[in-house]
Amino acid sequence: EMQLVESGGGLVQPGGSVRLSCAASGFAFSRYSMNWVRQAPGKGLEWVSYISSGGNTIYADSVKGRFTISRDNAENSLHLQMSSLRAEDTAVYYCVRPSGYCSGGTCYGAFDIWGQGTMVTVSS
Amino acid sequence: DIQMTQSPSTLSASVGDRVTITCRASESVSNWLAWYQQKPGKVPKLLIHKTSSLENGVPSRFSGSGSGTEFTLTISSLQPDDFATYYCQQYNSYSLTFGGGTKVDIK
Repeated sequence: EMQLVESGGGLVQPGGSVRLSCAASGFAFSRYSMNWVRQAPGKGLEWVSYISSGGNTIYADSVKGRFTISRDNAENSLHLQMSSLRAEDTAVYYCVRPSGYCSGGTCYGAFDIWGQGTMVTVSS
Repeated sequence: DIQMTQSPSTLSASVGDRVTITCRASESVSNWLAWYQQKPGKVPKLLIHKTSSLENGVPSRFSGSGSGTEFTLTISSLQPDDFATYYCQQYNSYSLTFGGGTKVDIK
């Protein structure tokens, strides 16, 4: 069974940091680009960050310079280092696998596999 | 960034109704458009990719159409299990963007 399991969320103070992790299983993780998507309480879905199978990264403007996505293909894991956190970063963070196409070294896709999500609350 | 606008934001319907949700892109996304269903407290579920391709296991009452900047999700005969929030998403270019969602509730 293809599965993504996130961990690392919790309560963080404004300005603080937290590292999210996502463990992948049941598919060839190293061959896929991966993304993080978040959802603030009662709100819609927001794409956060992308990493290619080889480690190239793209970020939403709202998190650029504060968040860092990384992966360990040997460990089948994805990470999101979140720093300088703000109240508006409060959300459920989902690790997602895209299925689509690649062009010019960047891959694009609809998200066919989602983790269960991990909640990050930024509050004093 | 490409803006995705869904309408309506809320839709009240009855079991058996034909339901149509519209998603408009601020610029062309070709046919790189997906639809998701999300129930309260649950993870979003991919229903349709590439505008009209149903995911395995998705009932045939769901269908998608469109191209360029205007897309629709149609539920031909609404079932009790279909009351949920639906999101469109473009994956033509980064930043990937979602529509604001359409909540389908019971009339």
